Amino acid sequence: EPEVTQTPSHQVTQMGQEVILRCVPISNHLYFYWYRQILGQKVEFLVSFYNNEISEKSEIFDDQFSVERPDGSNFTLKIRSTKLEDSAMYFCASSARTRAKNEAFFGQGTRLTVV
Amino acid sequence: GEDVEQSLFLSVREGDSSVINCTYTDSSSTYLYWYKQEPGAGLQLLTYIFSNMDMKQDQRLTVLLNKKDKHLSLRIADTQTGDSAIYFCAETTDRDDKIIFGKGTRLHILP
Repeated sequence: EPEVTQTPSHQVTQMGQEVILRCVPISNHLYFYWYRQILGQKVEFLVSFYNNEISEKSEIFDDQFSVERPDGSNFTLKIRSTKLEDSAMYFCASSARTRAKNEAFFGQGTRLTVV
Repeated sequence: GEDVEQSLFLSVREGDSSVINCTYTDSSSTYLYWYKQEPGAGLQLLTYIFSNMDMKQDQRLTVLLNKKDKHLSLRIADTQTGDSAIYFCAETTDRDDKIIFGKGTRLHILP
């Protein structure tokens, strides 16, 4: 069964450093998303991406964040200068989002720990 | 505004039925979902229901939607130890792409 894959599974970084979280969405999907889940809290929407541009972003997704689809398969989330409060599980998702179905598939997540 | 609420914990004996409840506020919801998250794992889509449906059954899972009361429930028949997880209720609307999640209900199975 096709799946969304994320790497790395766990990333530890020092405060102020840049991190890039990587995702390989399902190959025929056109809509891509990043969500995050701070420990013990809700899963929160960060950004959606379609047709090589951001279609929507939340207020969490400030200038420190950026997304990119550098080639036909990868979808990345970059945090320019990490803060302690960026520590969370980051989930990538993709969707075909046809008229009949709106089903997002999530990856296993990357646990980001900022120290 | 958009909000999804669910109780945080549920304990059920093995073999009994589990019923996890959820309420939402947005009347323009199009799809409602149940996701399962096992310890240390990602979000697995269990089932979803389109907002013009009342019920959907899939093997041991039954989803009931009361659109008037904005209430969604997930019933798991014959609950097994492997059902132990956090269950997230979620919705999407006709306005945008994002999925709005509840805080999750931790299902604990008693022997």
